[in-house]
Amino acid sequence: GAGVSQSPRYKVTKRGQDVALRCDPISGHVSLYWYRQALGQGPEFLTYFNYEAQQDKSGLPNDRFSAERPEGSISTLTIQRTEQRDSAMYRCASSLGTSGGTSWETQYFGPGTRLLVL
Amino acid sequence: GENVEQHPSTLSVQEGDSAVIKCTYSDSASNYFPWYKQELGKGPQLIIDIRSNVGEKKDQRIAVTLNKTAKHFSLHITETQPEDSAVYFCAAGADGLTFGKGTHLIIQP
Repeated sequence: GAGVSQSPRYKVTKRGQDVALRCDPISGHVSLYWYRQALGQGPEFLTYFNYEAQQDKSGLPNDRFSAERPEGSISTLTIQRTEQRDSAMYRCASSLGTSGGTSWETQYFGPGTRLLVL
Repeated sequence: GENVEQHPSTLSVQEGDSAVIKCTYSDSASNYFPWYKQELGKGPQLIIDIRSNVGEKKDQRIAVTLNKTAKHFSLHITETQPEDSAVYFCAAGADGLTFGKGTHLIIQP
């Protein structure tokens, strides 16, 4: 079946602009995660949702970053007033969430959105 | 929060030999330890994972061991093949995962 999809795949923006990154999880997956991956590094956790509820946003770097999942399916990660240091690959992952939480759930990653802030 | 250390950063082995990648973690609350393989230009793909209630798991040429007392876990790949060349990440956590910095595995023909 279809995997996790993300759009756009590439985004170039000017410093100070807002950007919105979209994630479409695997159909039926309850849990959705956002990660950021710098070149040559492992993914860094940002936030995650069970259904529409944001469970943990401790990884969001600052208040310019926000995420939502209003209907418990598609999620949007928004970065306001972008800065050059925000340039990275932003990855979304989803998991079944059948355990009632996210412990021990396999996370499937999408292809990512490459963000470049000039 | 959780801190995951991964070694080595680069590993070169002859085709057919074994490769071992090691990780340590700091948070005793972590109970899930997946390993991901990432090829150039692609997202991480799960290759094997282990839960905290078992010490070892094997899937064909790939095995993972977990020592919860020492807070370390390892990936073992036997009979390596050219297609095993990639970057491998370990991770630990209970909800959001904390990843290691990755190991670039190079299989020499």
